[in-house]
Amino acid sequence: AQTVTQSQPEMSVQEAETVTLSCTYDTSESDYYLFWYKQPPSRQMILVIRQEAYKQQNATENRFSVNFQKAAKSFSLKISDSQLGDAAMYFCAYRSALPETSGSRLTFGEGTQLTVNP
Amino acid sequence: DTGVSQDPRHKITKRGQNVTFRCDPISEHNRLYWYRQTLGQGPEFLTYFQNEAQLEKSRLLSDRFSAERPKGSFSTLEIQRTEQGDSAMYLCASSQTGQRQYFGPGTRLTVT
Repeated sequence: AQTVTQSQPEMSVQEAETVTLSCTYDTSESDYYLFWYKQPPSRQMILVIRQEAYKQQNATENRFSVNFQKAAKSFSLKISDSQLGDAAMYFCAYRSALPETSGSRLTFGEGTQLTVNP
Repeated sequence: DTGVSQDPRHKITKRGQNVTFRCDPISEHNRLYWYRQTLGQGPEFLTYFQNEAQLEKSRLLSDRFSAERPKGSFSTLEIQRTEQGDSAMYLCASSQTGQRQYFGPGTRLTVT
């Protein structure tokens, strides 16, 4: 079974600064997807960024980028120029790329609560 | 695209009562997922449907839990004989096959 671990229950950053959230995972599969989701206080989960394991290039979405280290099974999220609206719970998630019946579930980490200080 | 909706948003029930939640996915999405999230934890997978077929169930889904998606559109999740340990946020998500999952706002269940 796959597991996802986020070792930082809480992080804080000053507005306009950069922060990195850590995630490690365990899997025996070679093909999979990794995600970062954001859950603001309103509780609706929003996809921030996605990485395909077969791609060596790290994904980037505006101020959000990842550092994907496949051999180390590490997937960190970097938020640049942090904004007050970035304050939320962030979850790292894994999804297998195996064929249909076993490839759909998301496995989440425990989450990191990010505070952005003005 | 009106997003995934869930009803009710909050439910308070007494232990031993039955509750039913509804999820309306994004209309063209063929897959629908249920997750449970307890306070301070990440969501845990419960079950998912492709169209009306329930293709996978987690061991978390005890026999007190049942989910349906009768016409491949909306889904219901029923919990019978609720227990205090069932108190959680129940999240629904939908997707096209192999595509990203879009989450609803969740139903918060409190069992007293």
